[in-house]
Amino acid sequence: QKEVEQDPGPLSVPEGAIVSLNCTYSNSAFQYFMWYRQYSRKGPELLMYTYSSGNKEDGRFTAQVDKSSKYISLFIRDSQPSDSATYLCAMVNNNDMRFGAGTRLTVKP
Amino acid sequence: GAVVSQHPSWVICKSGTSVKIECRSLDFQATTMFWYRQFPKQSLMLMATSNEGSKATYEQGVEKDKFLINHASLTLSTLTVTSAHPEDSSFYICSAGGTDRYGYTFGSGTRLTVV
Repeated sequence: QKEVEQDPGPLSVPEGAIVSLNCTYSNSAFQYFMWYRQYSRKGPELLMYTYSSGNKEDGRFTAQVDKSSKYISLFIRDSQPSDSATYLCAMVNNNDMRFGAGTRLTVKP
Repeated sequence: GAVVSQHPSWVICKSGTSVKIECRSLDFQATTMFWYRQFPKQSLMLMATSNEGSKATYEQGVEKDKFLINHASLTLSTLTVTSAHPEDSSFYICSAGGTDRYGYTFGSGTRLTVV
């Protein structure tokens, strides 16, 4: 079993849809949780980070962490074609940083 | 915000030669640097973790004599691919973190092509 599981997709949605991206993990020692967005041929850019269970909102993005279930989510409201990218979840425990496989998202106009 | 500069952005080299990739934190002190490689349509694969002033910790299966990592200062880490082969062609990305452990910032990546 991988430490971090993420459905690679691809996921295709119409513009304006609500997108839900998810990751599960097995190591309860992970302390910090992040979501990155990566456009083709670019380095990942940090979207959101959190370290506690609950929701964190930033504009159209909401990150959700459920430590008891070892489950994290990223919701994108009113999705736009410019949101088309690969989304990576990442988790950190001290200096150990692990990524999910990444979900390829396409938002169609 | 935190900025990490990675150079070169792309490089083509001949088999058998060595290539150095630099990763600089421009406005913060990077106590930890991660080096990743990424194959097309795949996720990031951690190669090694380096802390300033100490030897890098390599992931299982990564040849430390082939992928030399130096983290001599709090703002600079380098990855040298020695005796490069075509199978080393990949996208290499660094990320840097300071004392704020969840504030990791990625470089823009280096596309290496070995011919």
